[in-house]
Amino acid sequence: DQQVKQNSPSLSVQEGRISILNCDYTNSMFDYFLWYKKYPAEGPTFLISISSIKDKNEDGRFTVFLNKSAKHLSLHIVPSQPGDSAVYFCAASDTGGGADGLTFGKGTHLIIQP
Amino acid sequence: NAGVTQTPKFQVLKTGQSMTLQCAQDMNHEYMSWYRQDPGMGLRLIHYSVGAGITDQGEVPNGYNVSRSTTEDFPLRLLSAAPSQTSVYFCASSYGVRTSGANVLTFGAGSRLTVL
Repeated sequence: DQQVKQNSPSLSVQEGRISILNCDYTNSMFDYFLWYKKYPAEGPTFLISISSIKDKNEDGRFTVFLNKSAKHLSLHIVPSQPGDSAVYFCAASDTGGGADGLTFGKGTHLIIQP
Repeated sequence: NAGVTQTPKFQVLKTGQSMTLQCAQDMNHEYMSWYRQDPGMGLRLIHYSVGAGITDQGEVPNGYNVSRSTTEDFPLRLLSAAPSQTSVYFCASSYGVRTSGANVLTFGAGSRLTVL
């Protein structure tokens, strides 16, 4: 059973507009959520995270929103730029679970059109 | 700083062959892990280590061995390669949740393995 779900395999957004990437999770024990960005032939790079005790975290053009009751988080990119074209992975961790590993979604391929 | 270094970048194996994917980090991170990425499957945890001498299984450990004799190195061994192990492998490291809360991983560039 997939614990972290990214239901949109791809998303196309015009340059300058807002990009919204969504992620749903099922495990109520997750206490940290992270977004990673991945370019082709490179490893994923950390973008932004949020603790489960918060509902919003902002870093420049990137904002992550967390709705715990709905088990849903979203990443907003404003304004979208051509360099934002990449695959975005949502990830979650259960720091009390012992494994320390992140559980990743399948990713959303964001395409920024000029 | 080199960060997380993986070798080789590309490898082609025949079914039944064995090989080792190397991973080294120079950030003095306690935690190291191996993930595999397959089309439509995201990143799945194979094995991880919370410190030298300590390893444990992740979500998809079958067919792989790991060891952690030093803080810096975390090799992944394929004992008898199978076509199902064709994938892109990523090594990652972090200070671990005990230090930083969120397990913010630093990834290597990946090793693309094809098993014929």
